[in-house]
Amino acid sequence: AQTVTQSQPEMSVQEAETVTLSCTYDTSESDYYLFWYKQPPSRQMILVIRQEAYKQQNATENRFSVNFQKAAKSFSLKISDSQLGDAAMYFCAYRSAGNGNKLVFGAGTILRVKS
Amino acid sequence: DAEITQSPRHKITETGRQVTLACHQTWNHNNMFWYRQDLGHGLRLIHYSYGVQDTNKGEVSDGYSVSRSNTEDLPLTLESAASSQTSVYFCASSRALQETQYFGPGTRLLVL
Repeated sequence: AQTVTQSQPEMSVQEAETVTLSCTYDTSESDYYLFWYKQPPSRQMILVIRQEAYKQQNATENRFSVNFQKAAKSFSLKISDSQLGDAAMYFCAYRSAGNGNKLVFGAGTILRVKS
Repeated sequence: DAEITQSPRHKITETGRQVTLACHQTWNHNNMFWYRQDLGHGLRLIHYSYGVQDTNKGEVSDGYSVSRSNTEDLPLTLESAASSQTSVYFCASSRALQETQYFGPGTRLLVL
């Protein structure tokens, strides 16, 4: 079974600075998808970014980018120019390409943004 | 606008009672999912459905059941609520198997 590990329970960043959230996963599959979801205090789960394992290019969405290292099974999220609205719980998630649409989540990282 | 809703948003119940949490989506998505969120565990899959009359067990299905009688709804039933089922429950849906899942706002359930 696949597992997702987020080793940082909490992180802090100063407003306008850059922060990187770590995620590692364990799988024997070669084709899969990886996601970062944001959960603000409202509890709504919001998709931040998605990466297909077959793509070598790292995904980017505005201030959010990933560093996808397939061989190392690492999928970190970089937030540039951090804003107060980025404060939230961030979840890394894995989905097999060939086993339905079931997501496996990490335990989450709480990101605090200091003004 | 199309959306996914959950009701109730908050629920307090007693151990042993049957509880049903509703999930309704207006996107006409085939796939629907129920997760529970607990501190230290992230979200874990309870049950899922790939279409009408289809239901499947997820990672933590014991004590829960679902039924899918139409495309829009996937209610989650706790047959006999236990304190261990105190959690935040999320419903999600996706159009197809390779499509992104979109989540409802969550239901906070407290079992006393």
